[in-house]
Amino acid sequence: AQTVTQSQPEMSVQEAETVTLSCTYDTSESDYYLFWYKQPPSRQMILVIRQEAYKQQNATENRFSVNFQKAAKSFSLKISDSQLGDAAMYFCAYRTNYGGSQGNLIFGKGTKLSVKP
Amino acid sequence: ETGVTQTPRHLVMGMTNKKSLKCEQHLGHNAMYWYKQSAKKPLELMFVYSLEERVENNSVPSRFSPECPNSSHLFLHLHTLQPEDSALYLCASSQVHVGDYGYTFGSGTRLTVV
Repeated sequence: AQTVTQSQPEMSVQEAETVTLSCTYDTSESDYYLFWYKQPPSRQMILVIRQEAYKQQNATENRFSVNFQKAAKSFSLKISDSQLGDAAMYFCAYRTNYGGSQGNLIFGKGTKLSVKP
Repeated sequence: ETGVTQTPRHLVMGMTNKKSLKCEQHLGHNAMYWYKQSAKKPLELMFVYSLEERVENNSVPSRFSPECPNSSHLFLHLHTLQPEDSALYLCASSQVHVGDYGYTFGSGTRLTVV
């Protein structure tokens, strides 16, 4: 079974600085998707960025980018120019696409990010 | 309204009560999900409905009973719950088999069992 591990329960960053959140996963499959979700105090999970495993190029969405290392099964999220609104829980998630059949999202435990003014 | 809407936002119930959580999506998605989010634990997938048919039930106790009357609505019926069932219950939807853009989540129902 696939597992997702986020080893940093909490992280802190100064406003305007850069922070990297770690995520590793375990799978024997080669075709899958990886996601980062943000959950602010409003509780709604918001998709931040997604990565398709067969694409070697790292995904980027404005200030958010990932470092996807397939061989190492690592999928870290980098937030540049951190803003106060980035403070939230961040969840890494995995979804299989084995045989073209999309599986369910499997989440890590999350990392709580604080942004200091 | 757009997105995924969950009601109520908060719910306090006794162990002998019966209540229902409601989820509604206005995205035209064909799959809906119930997740349980407890402190310091990963989100736990409870139920999956695809094309209104339940396709997954992850060993959830029978005191939780899902219902999906159509592709836009999902309910979670609760009865004789335990205090350890207190958690945030999240509903999500997705469009399966058409690319993969992840799930769209609602804001959840914060359930407290007393």
